[in-house]
Amino acid sequence: DVKVTQSSRYLVKRTGEKVFLECVQDMDHENMFWYRQDPGLGLRLIYFSYDVKMKEKGDIPEGYSVSREKKERFSLILESASTNQTSMYLCASSLWAGRRSPLHFGNGTRLTVT
Amino acid sequence: AQTVTQSQPEMSVQEAETVTLSCTYDTSESDYYLFWYKQPPSRQMILVIRQEAYKQQNATENRFSVNFQKAAKSFSLKISDSQLGDAAMYFCAYRNINNAGNMLTFGGGTRLMVKP
Repeated sequence: DVKVTQSSRYLVKRTGEKVFLECVQDMDHENMFWYRQDPGLGLRLIYFSYDVKMKEKGDIPEGYSVSREKKERFSLILESASTNQTSMYLCASSLWAGRRSPLHFGNGTRLTVT
Repeated sequence: AQTVTQSQPEMSVQEAETVTLSCTYDTSESDYYLFWYKQPPSRQMILVIRQEAYKQQNATENRFSVNFQKAAKSFSLKISDSQLGDAAMYFCAYRNINNAGNMLTFGGGTRLMVKP
C-alpha cells in the first residue's frame, strides 16, 4: 500500500513564524500535492509538483511556497504565518502516467496560528 | 475553470437504509474523470468510486454506486444498506483528462451521519 506521511498531526504556531509542513511518500510517485481543507470549501489546491525541483501554483498559492529537493519529499512553507492560514493541510501523491491513477492522501496536519 | 458543487452540507440516514449524495460540476470538456472520496474522523481520505466520462455505464463498488448524468453534469453517490462505518465526510471531485498534473478539483463536502 502507498503510504503518505505528514510529519505532524497537530501544530500550533504564532503569527509571523516561519512554518514548515513536511510530507513523504514511499511509492516513487512523480506527482505530489498540497491541499488546504476548510469547512464548506472542501479541498483547495495550494501547489503541486510533478518532478524534483518542479512546482506549479494551484488555486490558492498566496502566502505559501513549496520545496521538492527529493522525489519522495514535498514541503509546504508558510514564510510568515497568519491567522487566516489556520486550517487543515492535506498532502497527496499520485503516479505521473495513468490518468485513472488516484490520489493517495496523508492523514493531514491541523495547523493553528495564534 | 472547473467547479464542483455539493449542495447538501449534511445528510443523515438510518442504518440499513439507502441514501443519495448529490454532486454537480461545471466543465466545457467532453472527457474527464469523476471521483467520490470518503474522509472518516481519522482524516484519511479514501477513494470510494470513480467514473470515466466516456463510459455510459454507471460505476459500482459493492454497496456504492453512482448515477452519472453527463448532459446534466450530475454525479450522485448512492449508498445502499448504510452501515455505521459509512459515517464520514464525502467529497466529490473532478479531473480533466488532459490534466497533466493529475490534480483534482473538489466540492465542498457532505457530512453523512448514520443513525443506529
